[in-house]
Amino acid sequence: AQSVTQLDSQVPVFEEAPVELRCNYSSSVSVYLFWYVQYPNQGLQLLLKYLSGSTLVKGINGFEAEFNKSQTSFHLRKPSVHISDTAEYFCAVSVSNSGNTPLVFGKGTRLSVIA
Amino acid sequence: DGGITQSPKYLFRKEGQNVTLSCEQNLNHDAMYWYRQDPGQGLRLIYYSQIVNDFQKGDIAEGYSVSREKKESFPLTVTSAQKNPTAFYLCASKYYNEQFFGPGTRLTVL
Repeated sequence: AQSVTQLDSQVPVFEEAPVELRCNYSSSVSVYLFWYVQYPNQGLQLLLKYLSGSTLVKGINGFEAEFNKSQTSFHLRKPSVHISDTAEYFCAVSVSNSGNTPLVFGKGTRLSVIA
Repeated sequence: DGGITQSPKYLFRKEGQNVTLSCEQNLNHDAMYWYRQDPGQGLRLIYYSQIVNDFQKGDIAEGYSVSREKKESFPLTVTSAQKNPTAFYLCASKYYNEQFFGPGTRLTVL
């Protein structure tokens, strides 16, 4: 079975500073990886996904993530954050070509951007 | 616009009452999912359905029930057997490798 560990439950960062949100996964087979963002009292929105190909994935709102198979990681980065990036971020994994089986989510990282 | 609708946004019930949360999608997706979200717990899977008239239990199905009579609809009933039903409930559908989420329903049991 797959599992996801988000190493930080909360990350405070000053506006215009860079940020990295860490995600490690556990799986014995090939996987797809995802980052979602959730603003307060809303559903989840896809930021980016890795299915295959280039290990550096670019997403919406200036975020990017790098798939590292040897370290089983998929860390999310942004070079300069804005107040509007304050939200909860979820990393998720699924087995490659698993059809409609559900994603497995980490427990989330709450990003707080400080003015 | 295509999407997933969950209603109502906020729901209050008395302890011991069953309550049904609505989830409708017009995306023509086969698979639909229900998650429960509690602070610090992430998303936990309650039930999912890969096709009409079929569904499977997730990790925390006890105290919940679902039906999937139409492709567009996947209602979740929170029964009186659910010990701690107050939570934020999220419905999702899936197309190829991506899950799409509704806006959620916050259920408070008094």
